[in-house]
This record gives sequence, structure tokens and C-alpha cells, in this order.
Amino acid sequence: QIHLVESGGGGVQPGGSLRLSCTVSGFTFSASGMHWVRQAPGKGQEWVAFIRYDGSSKFYADSVKGRFTISRDNSKNTLYLQMKSLRTEDTAVYYCVKAADSETFDIWGQGTMVTVSS
Amino acid sequence: NFMLTQPHSVSESPGKTVTISCTRSSGSIANNYVQWYQQRPGSSPTNVIYEDNQRPSGVPDRFSGSIDSSSNSASLTISGLKTEDEADYYCQSSDSVIWVFGGGTKLTVL
Repeated sequence: QIHLVESGGGGVQPGGSLRLSCTVSGFTFSASGMHWVRQAPGKGQEWVAFIRYDGSSKFYADSVKGRFTISRDNSKNTLYLQMKSLRTEDTAVYYCVKAADSETFDIWGQGTMVTVSS
Repeated sequence: NFMLTQPHSVSESPGKTVTISCTRSSGSIANNYVQWYQQRPGSSPTNVIYEDNQRPSGVPDRFSGSIDSSSNSASLTISGLKTEDEADYYCQSSDSVIWVFGGGTKLTVL
């Protein structure tokens, strides 16, 4: 059975940093592209970032480009999202998502809440 | 970048059929696959339609998807509505290396 478990969320002040982790099991992590998707309170889904299976390519939404960095450690079956210069509008539940192919968000984690507030 | 526009909410009675639309603002709807996700309250989204009209294993055949190039839109149709279908539904598509979600549609089954 496939599991994706996010951690690292919490409260942080504007301008601060946070690193999210996502530990996976039940599938070949090193063969799968991975996304981060976020959902602000009461809002819809927003794609944040994608990393190819081997980490060779990374892509970001304009709203986080230059502030967030997606990375992975295939030896640890773990996906990361380093977030810097956080803004109040970054407040959201952050989901780690397995990519089924280049277009489909296949399996979602349970999410971790990030709150940016002074 | 393009946008995907969905109705904010729809409602229908149990046993009936409902269709949720998703209109692409620019670029052809046929150029990239459309996916649909269901999110029940307090839960993470799950994929119910991929590649325009394909159902993942475990998704009942009451769920179907289609695209219409003439209106540049996609549709999710749920037939034989059940109270358990009450949820938020999101369409999603892509363009090169940008992935876009629609704003979501709240389905009420009453």
C-alpha cells in the first residue's frame, strides 16, 4: 500500500524559513516524479513545484519561484520543500503528491499545515 | 499561463445525474489531458478521472469524463448520485511544465 507522510509544518513569522519533508513507501520512489501542492484555508488547490524522478529537473509556480526549493533523496525515499522568505499568503496545507505520469497527480499525502503570521 | 474555470457550486438530488464543467481560458483543451479530483471534507484529494475520460481502479463507472473542443471545456458527469458523492471537485490540466487546477466546484447532494 502506498503511503506519503508529510512533516515539518508549523507556525513561522513572515520572512522566516521552514523545511517540509515527505517520506514515502509502497512504490519505487526513485522512479517517480513528485509534486508539492498547497491549499490555503477555504481555497482550492495550487500547484507549487515538481521534481523529476532523478532530480535532474525542477519546476516552480511563479508565486514561489526564487523562494522555494524542491529536492529529493532517493536513498531515503524522501521529498523536501525548503521554503524561505515566507509570506502570509503562503499559509496553507502543503501536500506531497506522487506523479502517475507527466500530467496526473496520482496519490496524495495527508498534508502538513504551514501558518505564516506575526 | 492559462486558467481553468469551474462553477462555484452545483446541487442535485440522490439518484439524479450532475455535470460539472471546466473551461480552459487559452490554449486548446485537447492539447493536454484533463484530470478530475474529489476532495471530501477533512480529507486529501483523490483522482477520479485521468487522461480526459479514464477511471482509476476503484472509481465506480458512475463517474465519467469528457472534453468538448468547440467550447474548449471538459466535463465531469456523475450519474446515480449518492450522498457520499458530496464533495469538492477540481479539474486539472497542464501546459509544458505548468500544472493548473480549476477553482473547484462544491457538489451538494440533497
